[in-house]
Amino acid sequence: AQSVAQPEDQVNVAEGNPLTVKCTYSVSGNPYLFWYVQYPNRGLQFLLKYITGDNLVKGSYGFEAEFNKSQTSFHLKKPSALVSDSALYFCAVLPFNKFYFGSGTKLNVKP
Amino acid sequence: GAGVSQSPSNKVTEKGKDVELRCDPISGHTALYWYRQSLGQGLEFLIYFQGNSAPDKSGLPSDRFSAERTGGSVSTLTIQRTQQEDSAVYLCASSLASREDGYTFGSGTRLTVV
Repeated sequence: AQSVAQPEDQVNVAEGNPLTVKCTYSVSGNPYLFWYVQYPNRGLQFLLKYITGDNLVKGSYGFEAEFNKSQTSFHLKKPSALVSDSALYFCAVLPFNKFYFGSGTKLNVKP
Repeated sequence: GAGVSQSPSNKVTEKGKDVELRCDPISGHTALYWYRQSLGQGLEFLIYFQGNSAPDKSGLPSDRFSAERTGGSVSTLTIQRTQQEDSAVYLCASSLASREDGYTFGSGTRLTVV
């Protein structure tokens, strides 16, 4: 069965510190990997994606993610967190034509 | 249009009533998806339309749920005889045929069944 795991319901980090939001997956084939962010009362917004090539991909708002095939992980990172980064983050995998989403991780960045 | 448009943004309905939720995808996007996001939960796949192919209805939770897509564009999600457990945010997304493009999501319809 296809599954995506975000092991942390919530991540707390101080502004200016680096952040990591974890994602691991178990799907067949070579899926495309995505991160989305959801601000309160809004839909999901695309952050970044991995299709092929360099394992480190860069996306919107200074975020980046590292693909690790052997660990089937796709962790989201940012070198220096901002209070405005506080939101709900979803990892998603696309093995074929339907997304599978993680349960989401709430990121709290404190001043 | 510029983005995926959903209406209404909020809907409060009485238990047992029927509701219709509307999604206007991005022009030219051949794929359309409905997801449900319950409070504190992740996204639950409901249904997927691709072009003129038969929809993938595998995520619909019961026969009270149905969806259609007219003319390959606008989609309506209908929930009959609503129950309190139907309360959630219903998200619509569309995409081009190529899976590399990912989805573009609408802002969702927040449904509250009282």
